[in-house]
Amino acid sequence: AQSVAQPEDQVNVAEGNPLTVKCTYSVSGNPYLFWYVQYPNRGLQFLLKYITGDNLVKGSYGFEAEFNKSQTSFHLKKPSALVSDSALYFCAAPNRDDKIIFGKGTRLHILP
Amino acid sequence: DAGVIQSPRHEVTEMGQEVTLRCKPISGHDYLFWYRQTMMRGLELLIYFNNNVPIDDSGMPEDRFSAKMPNASFSTLKIQPSEPRDSAVYFCASSLASGLAGLVTGELFFGEGSRLTVL
Repeated sequence: AQSVAQPEDQVNVAEGNPLTVKCTYSVSGNPYLFWYVQYPNRGLQFLLKYITGDNLVKGSYGFEAEFNKSQTSFHLKKPSALVSDSALYFCAAPNRDDKIIFGKGTRLHILP
Repeated sequence: DAGVIQSPRHEVTEMGQEVTLRCKPISGHDYLFWYRQTMMRGLELLIYFNNNVPIDDSGMPEDRFSAKMPNASFSTLKIQPSEPRDSAVYFCASSLASGLAGLVTGELFFGEGSRLTVL
């Protein structure tokens, strides 16, 4: 089955440190992969996507994600975390029927 | 553009009552999605429309749920009768299909959600 997995329910990072939120995928063919962020009591917002091309994708708010085909991963990264980055992060991909399926989410806490 | 607009933002109702959630997608978008978010099950796709036509409603939990899109600028999700287990945040999202691959390359734009509590 086409799916994405986020192995961590929660990630804690000190402000100013680099952050990584993990995502692995299981899709056939060319993977299309997305990251979304959800702030409290808000809808999801698009951060970035990988369709094809460069393995390092740059997105909103200084985030980037690295596509790694051999490890079937698409980890979200940021060089220096801000307290305002604290939110719920979702990895997503279309399944066989072109429906966008979301991972269960990873809660990111940036500690001041 | 104001983005995807959902109403009501909060709804508290009693078991057995009818609930109608509303969504106005971004003008020009040709896909509309209804998602449900709960702590236990995460984000679940309920149904989606393309050019106002329901394409896949396999995620609708049961016959108590129905969705319509009478025109390009309006959609409703109705629950009748409502039950406590329907309590969740319901999101509407719209998208503009892009590229040769169509939908799957386009980002989704989400509304702020409708938080439903069924007592």
